[in-house]
Amino acid sequence: KAGVTQTPRYLIKTRGQQVTLSCSPISGHRSVSWYQQTPGQGLQFLFEYFSETQRNKGNFPGRFSGRQFSNSRSEMNVSTLELGDSALYLCASSLNRDTVPYEQYFGPGTRLTVT
Amino acid sequence: AQTVTQSQPEMSVQEAETVTLSCTYDTSESDYYLFWYKQPPSRQMILVIRQEAYKQQNATENRFSVNFQKAAKSFSLKISDSQLGDAAMYFCAYRALYGGATNKLIFGTGTLLAVQP
Repeated sequence: KAGVTQTPRYLIKTRGQQVTLSCSPISGHRSVSWYQQTPGQGLQFLFEYFSETQRNKGNFPGRFSGRQFSNSRSEMNVSTLELGDSALYLCASSLNRDTVPYEQYFGPGTRLTVT
Repeated sequence: AQTVTQSQPEMSVQEAETVTLSCTYDTSESDYYLFWYKQPPSRQMILVIRQEAYKQQNATENRFSVNFQKAAKSFSLKISDSQLGDAAMYFCAYRALYGGATNKLIFGTGTLLAVQP
């Protein structure tokens, strides 16, 4: 079974632009969560989608948004990019959210650089 | 709010030796899950081991085992017979079982493990 895939793997954007990142979960997984990883703040939860609905949101500004499609694929969007948005963005999928198993499996990440 | 603390930013171990990585957490919940993830230089986060809080028995996965002390809120990872491929950043993570934040993982700051040949 294929793992979690994320595209693109690397992105360079300019301040003020917007960006869309994509995540395809493991086949059959219905929950997709997004995390931001930076050297200063570590791993921080952005949001979670389950059955096309946002179920949970971390403490990030409204410039960060996401959505999930009927096939469980998810996208996250960052508008009006700032230098501080440079980070590794990780997507994780899990089979369920309220019943076992609870494990989340991560994709390789998208490295976003804002100049 | 739940927090996870990893007090060892870096650790080093000789190949074939045993090393223990520490993790403490804070929560008022009685049921939850704890995980150890490994992130090698390639950056793909890999699940190493999980522990259900209601289980007293410590989880084991091949060379990896945990020492789960619920009362002390401690969750350490022991790697036996260390191999060069074990070199990576290791993250401890907490997952609540109930409430609206169930699928949110709270991570520690990580421990960078070096394995010396």
